Amino acid sequence: EVQLVESGGGLVQPGGSLRLSCAGSGFTFSSYWMSWVRQAPGKGLEWVANIKQDGSEKYYMDSVKGRFTISRDNAKNSLYLQMYSLRAEDTAVYYCARDGWYFDFWGQGTLVTVSS
Amino acid sequence: EIVLTQSPGTLSLSPGERTTLSCRASQSVSSSYLAWYQQKPGQAPRLLIYGASSRATGIPDRFSGSGSGTDFTLTISRLEPEDFAVYYCQHLGTFGQGTKVEIK
Repeated sequence: EVQLVESGGGLVQPGGSLRLSCAGSGFTFSSYWMSWVRQAPGKGLEWVANIKQDGSEKYYMDSVKGRFTISRDNAKNSLYLQMYSLRAEDTAVYYCARDGWYFDFWGQGTLVTVSS
Repeated sequence: EIVLTQSPGTLSLSPGERTTLSCRASQSVSSSYLAWYQQKPGQAPRLLIYGASSRATGIPDRFSGSGSGTDFTLTISRLEPEDFAVYYCQHLGTFGQGTKVEIK
């Protein structure tokens, strides 16, 4: 059974940093692109970033470029999102998702709240 | 940048009814990369349809997708109580704003 489990969310002050993790199991993690998708409270889905199987290609939405870094450790079947210079508008549930041009498996999400 | 516009914003329907949700792209997109998701409150989205018309594993056949170019639809042939949710279309890194299907 494919499982994705996120962790690392929490309350952080504006300008602060946070690192999210996503542990994958039940599939060959190193064979798939992976993405982070977020959802602000009461809002729709917003793709944030994705990373190729070997980590050689990474793509970001415009508003997080230069502030967020996606990475992965295939030996640990893990995906990461390092977030710097956090803003109130980054407040959201962050999901990791298996990315095959569509997102066929999702984690349960981890809530990031940016507030003073 | 492609924009996906879903309509209507909200549908108020009764169980047993048939419904069609629309997703319109601001420019022609490949149907190979058009997907639909269902999301219930407090849950992660669930993939329903990929490649515009292929049902994901375990999705009931009352859900069907169609379309090409700029116009895509998700049809639910007969609404079950568990189908009341928000539905999103997606093309690569872009999601539509969602259509809420609520109980009338």
